[in-house]
Amino acid sequence: GAVVSQHPSWVICKSGTSVKIECRSLDFQATTMFWYRQFPKQSLMLMATSNEGSKATYEQGVEKDKFLINHASLTLSTLTVTSAHPEDSSFYICSARWREGNIQYFGAGTRLSVL
Amino acid sequence: GEDVEQSLFLSVREGDSSVINCTYTDSSSTYLYWYKQEPGAGLQLLTYIFSNMDMKQDQRLTVLLNKKDKHLSLRIADTQTGDSAIYFCAEISSGGYNKLIFGAGTRLAVHP
Repeated sequence: GAVVSQHPSWVICKSGTSVKIECRSLDFQATTMFWYRQFPKQSLMLMATSNEGSKATYEQGVEKDKFLINHASLTLSTLTVTSAHPEDSSFYICSARWREGNIQYFGAGTRLSVL
Repeated sequence: GEDVEQSLFLSVREGDSSVINCTYTDSSSTYLYWYKQEPGAGLQLLTYIFSNMDMKQDQRLTVLLNKKDKHLSLRIADTQTGDSAIYFCAEISSGGYNKLIFGAGTRLAVHP
């Protein structure tokens, strides 16, 4: 299957700082990327849908100013957690899809710990 | 609204078959998926089935779809310790962007 690379895999930061997470599709052009958040022992919660060259669509309850998403190219989307606080600590996972394809390929996830 | 439900835990003996069940509510779902998540990792697509199919088999994996009852199952034959993971059932949302709606995940524990 297609490969989606996510970096970093684990990041620890101080409260109040910003953290950027990258999601890259390595062998296909991802017109749409998705960002999820997963709490321990829970399912994935969709945060936002990002289409290349346009603004992300955020799910209800997700603060767009807190979680900045940029999808500037067909192979890269970034999620920036701004002014991180301990409650932002979580596992963040991205996925990518080609055009109107029905398969989402997932990255390995990023564990964010805010001290 | 759209909802996907799964049992939370399944324990099987190595070598036995595992059957993980899932129910969904959106009758217009075109595709249904099974993903596997190992500890600390992302999701790996195991298999998927189109809504006009009743069954799909891929090596040790068999997917059964009952559209009338909106029931999906994943059978793993000859379950191995490496199959221990969380298995997520998902359907495509009819609400646009082909978003996935995930179940809560079934934790499969394989013991000797």
